[in-house]
Amino acid sequence: EPEVTQTPSHQVTQMGQEVILRCVPISNHLYFYWYRQILGQKVEFLVSFYNNEISEKSEIFDDQFSVERPDGSNFTLKIRSTKLEDSAMYFCASSDSRGATEAFFGQGTRLTVV
Amino acid sequence: LAKTTQPISMDSYEGQEVNITCSHNNIATNDYITWYQQFPSQGPRFIIQGYKTKVTNEVASLFIPADRKSSTLSLPRVSLSDTAVYYCLVGDLRTDKLIFGTGTRLQVFP
Repeated sequence: EPEVTQTPSHQVTQMGQEVILRCVPISNHLYFYWYRQILGQKVEFLVSFYNNEISEKSEIFDDQFSVERPDGSNFTLKIRSTKLEDSAMYFCASSDSRGATEAFFGQGTRLTVV
Repeated sequence: LAKTTQPISMDSYEGQEVNITCSHNNIATNDYITWYQQFPSQGPRFIIQGYKTKVTNEVASLFIPADRKSSTLSLPRVSLSDTAVYYCLVGDLRTDKLIFGTGTRLQVFP
């Protein structure tokens, strides 16, 4: 079964540092997403990406965040200057159609900012 | 976006059928109902989606009454591995985001 893969599984970084979270979506999918889940809290939408541009983003996704699809297979989330409150599990997802349809989520990257 | 309300937690025993009901009183005409499952430290996993009446797949059934103000996810004969958080989502297929609520934590006991 095809799957979304994320690397690394766990990243520890110092406050103020830049981090890049990486994702390989399912190969024939066209819609890509990042979500995050702070420990014990809800899964929160960050951003959606289609046709090489952001299609929708939440208020969480401020200027500190950016996404990129640098090649035909990777999809990255960059946090420019991490804050303690950025500590969370970050999930990448992809789907072959837009909207609240069947999105496939990766296993997540646990980001710890110290 | 329609807000959803579901029980915080439910307990069951192996082999039983589990029904989790979700309320979405202000669901809009273009909204679909989708259920996801999440195990600890894993990403959510799509279970089932429907618009009205009944939908069944190899994992679950989804019952939606005519007024669509609620929906019920039915898991037949649960096992220990069904212990997870189950999320009911309501949204328009024209939007690009999934809005997760707090979900229902299902605990299955032997």
